[in-house]
Amino acid sequence: GQQVMQIPQYQHVQEGEDFTTYCNSSTTLSNIQWYKQRPGGHPVFLIQLVKSGEVKKQKRLTFQFGEAKKNSSLHITATQTTDVGTYFCALYSSASKIIFGSGTRLSIRP
Amino acid sequence: GAVVSQHPSWVICKSGTSVKIECRSLDFQATTMFWYRQFPKQSLMLMATSNEGSKATYEQGVEKDKFLINHASLTLSTLTVTSAHPEDSSFYICSARGGPDYEQYFGPGTRLTVT
Repeated sequence: GQQVMQIPQYQHVQEGEDFTTYCNSSTTLSNIQWYKQRPGGHPVFLIQLVKSGEVKKQKRLTFQFGEAKKNSSLHITATQTTDVGTYFCALYSSASKIIFGSGTRLSIRP
Repeated sequence: GAVVSQHPSWVICKSGTSVKIECRSLDFQATTMFWYRQFPKQSLMLMATSNEGSKATYEQGVEKDKFLINHASLTLSTLTVTSAHPEDSSFYICSARGGPDYEQYFGPGTRLTVT
């Protein structure tokens, strides 16, 4: 079935540094979603991208959907300790189920 | 709006017993509910999809006789882990699809520990 590969698996950065996580699919995606899960918490929906080449921003977070709709990225500018957690991309499968990527765990040195 | 609740939020049970987890859509009707399982430091894995009034559809590798799912109403789905074993210890998260935008909303999860 459809799936997305997410890299890197882990990222450890100094507070204030930027962070980027990438999702790649072998097939064209109808849309892609991004979630954040804090340690011990549940995934929280951040955003959905639908259009080819779409770029959306939420404060320090920038989300991008590739022109071919096969990849997506989440970029955080000037990370803060509150950004700690695991970031998942997810897609709607052909059967209308949400399938999650493997996630990127972000840790931050204060 | 579009709130999904789960009960209990955490549960500890003894090996061999069964435990039931409830998932409720509080302010919308959910024709479809999904159950996910997340082991420590891993991603969410879809276990099954349930539609109100019909049998659940299980993902490959998920034992339907061990994870009983009932979607008796448009606001409630239950997952029963039967004859639980320590390897069933996990974070179980439900989500419900519905509401005015027909979106999928996630519950807060239930942490199950089997001793």
